[in-house]
Amino acid sequence: GENVEQHPSTLSVQEGDSAVIKCTYSDSASNYFPWYKQELGKRPQLIIDIRSNVGEKKDQRIAVTLNKTAKHFSLHITETQPEDSAVYFCAAIIYNQGGKLIFGQGTELSVKP
Amino acid sequence: DAGVTQSPTHLIKTRGQQVTLRCSPISGHKSVSWYQQVLGQGPQFIFQYYEKEERGRGNFPDRFSARQFPNYSSELNVNALLLGDSALYLCASSRGLAGTYEQYFGPGTRLTVT
Repeated sequence: GENVEQHPSTLSVQEGDSAVIKCTYSDSASNYFPWYKQELGKRPQLIIDIRSNVGEKKDQRIAVTLNKTAKHFSLHITETQPEDSAVYFCAAIIYNQGGKLIFGQGTELSVKP
Repeated sequence: DAGVTQSPTHLIKTRGQQVTLRCSPISGHKSVSWYQQVLGQGPQFIFQYYEKEERGRGNFPDRFSARQFPNYSSELNVNALLLGDSALYLCASSRGLAGTYEQYFGPGTRLTVT
């Protein structure tokens, strides 16, 4: 089936702590995994993505890891700041009936100062 | 470069009516995808168009249709509107097919069906 599960649904951390959001996907043919950040009332913004030929990718305070065998991928945010507060969505490309991005249910991250 | 643009920003329709939403991709992008986002959920894929051809379809009824024009802009049409069609409709563009290239979202059209 076409399914991306995302956990947790809500996450509250203190400023400066790390935050981790985890996703699992069902299609073993998936090879592209983006993460989007959506602030209230705004469009989803691509923050980082990873392809299946690498296991980890970093961009400043953000990193994504991928375990293709287990069909897991995770977003790691270090040294969190209040402006990191938003809803984060993971997604996976599914190739059934053409290519389509299937999104997880979202994680509402709250960073308390 | 201008980002993805969508029109209108907001729309109110009554049940049974028809609606057309419009999207202009980033310059140089040839693929447009449409998503429905219900409050509190992730975007749900509706269609992907690339080079004016449908290249992916989600689990939506035939009331939903779309097309892409020679300038790569796109329209999403929804017929016989239901209350459950109330949502934020997002358009995303990419240089090529999603998965090979990154997708960038527009601001969305907020559709309310009464």
